[in-house]
Amino acid sequence: AQKVTQAQTEISVVEKEDVTLDCVYETRDTTYYLFWYKQPPSGELVFLIRRNSFDEQNEISGRYSWNFQKSTSSFNFTITASQVVDSAVYFCALRAYNNNDMRFGAGTRLTVKP
Amino acid sequence: EADIYQTPRYLVIGTGKKITLECSQTMGHDKMYWYQQDPGMELHLIHYSYGVNSTEKGDLSSESTVSRIRTEHFPLTLESARPSHTSQYLCASSDSRQGIYGYTFGSGTRLTVV
Repeated sequence: AQKVTQAQTEISVVEKEDVTLDCVYETRDTTYYLFWYKQPPSGELVFLIRRNSFDEQNEISGRYSWNFQKSTSSFNFTITASQVVDSAVYFCALRAYNNNDMRFGAGTRLTVKP
Repeated sequence: EADIYQTPRYLVIGTGKKITLECSQTMGHDKMYWYQQDPGMELHLIHYSYGVNSTEKGDLSSESTVSRIRTEHFPLTLESARPSHTSQYLCASSDSRQGIYGYTFGSGTRLTVV
């Protein structure tokens, strides 16, 4: 069975603070993919990043960075120097290699105050 | 430019009406999905399709039905709308030939049943 847990329901920070969104997953598959999506108030889901289970290198893209640790089954997402435009609900998701179905976490609502 | 289109974007309708939410994608993806999402809450899979003439119910019980007569089109129908159907409905698609990629989401339909 696959499961994604985002324990933080809501996080509120002040602009320019760093913030980390946690994601813990469960899977019996040895090959799988992890994703983060952003859902701004407009409602659409925007793809942010994909990692495969063989690649534990952390990734940085501008103010965004991702820390994938297979040993703890975690795929955490950090926003550095947060901005008001980062306010959104962020979803972590898991997909097995041989199964095209994605399992989403419950989402974390991030509010960045000016 | 969106490759997956949902219409209408917003819909307010009276109880008992029949409605169809449209979803079309131009990417030739074989798999399509419908998710129901209450505002700011997690996504619940209500229907999915692995190809033409293939439809399955998802994790969340839904009174809606779907059809997949053409690859690009995956409409969702509510025969008799009720206030409990008020929610956002998100359509997504994926390509099983591109195993490593995630879903592409539409912009969603916000449905209000009064």
